[in-house]
Amino acid sequence: QSMLRQPPSVSGAPGQRVTISCTGSSSDIGAGYDVNWYQQLPGAAPKLLIYGNSNRPSGVPDRFSGSKSGTSASLAITGLQAEDEADYHCQSYDSRLSGYVFGTGTKVTVL
Amino acid sequence: QVRLQESGPGLVKPSETLSLTCTVSGGSVSDYYWTWIRQPPGKGLEWLGDIFYSGSTNYNPSLKSRVTISLDTSQNQFSLMLTSVTAADTAVYYCTAVLRGVIDYWGQGTLVTVSS
Repeated sequence: QSMLRQPPSVSGAPGQRVTISCTGSSSDIGAGYDVNWYQQLPGAAPKLLIYGNSNRPSGVPDRFSGSKSGTSASLAITGLQAEDEADYHCQSYDSRLSGYVFGTGTKVTVL
Repeated sequence: QVRLQESGPGLVKPSETLSLTCTVSGGSVSDYYWTWIRQPPGKGLEWLGDIFYSGSTNYNPSLKSRVTISLDTSQNQFSLMLTSVTAADTAVYYCTAVLRGVIDYWGQGTLVTVSS
């Protein structure tokens, strides 16, 4: 199964800034396809957090931001809060798959 | 606001067929690509395939020979069939609505366990 690579876990104290990387290849992120990010709270379905690399849906705090460069993308959370403790997944399109590909997922822990 | 609700058996025997249905409310079936995604326990998300209201389908090559997605516009439902299941198919299965490559809406998910 083809997947984008993410660190298994990141952690930070309340108020700190954490970043999550999402590394792909020339057939997905590097081919110019957009990256979306989803937040999955414990026991819940994922929820759209960032779309089109850097856009926030209505209702998502501006503490969350996304960027993309080359074959990678990043999600940054500034002013980390206890409620941000969750799993985060990146997603893009893979031309070899002719379908969607997800990241391996990152667990964010608030210390 | 689109709402999605999965339904189907929570337990399937090895070698049998997994069948799930997703009921759509609050949206038109012509507006989205209707997509199935699964998540094995403790693991990441996997795209299984999708269907457009025209009936055109697209499947993950790793599952292509085993998966079928269908759409019933009269009932506002779409369905997943996965044949010859094994323990590796144990997962939470989500039905979703996708627009321009973005998964806008998710069902709550349903756990399907493959076990005898």
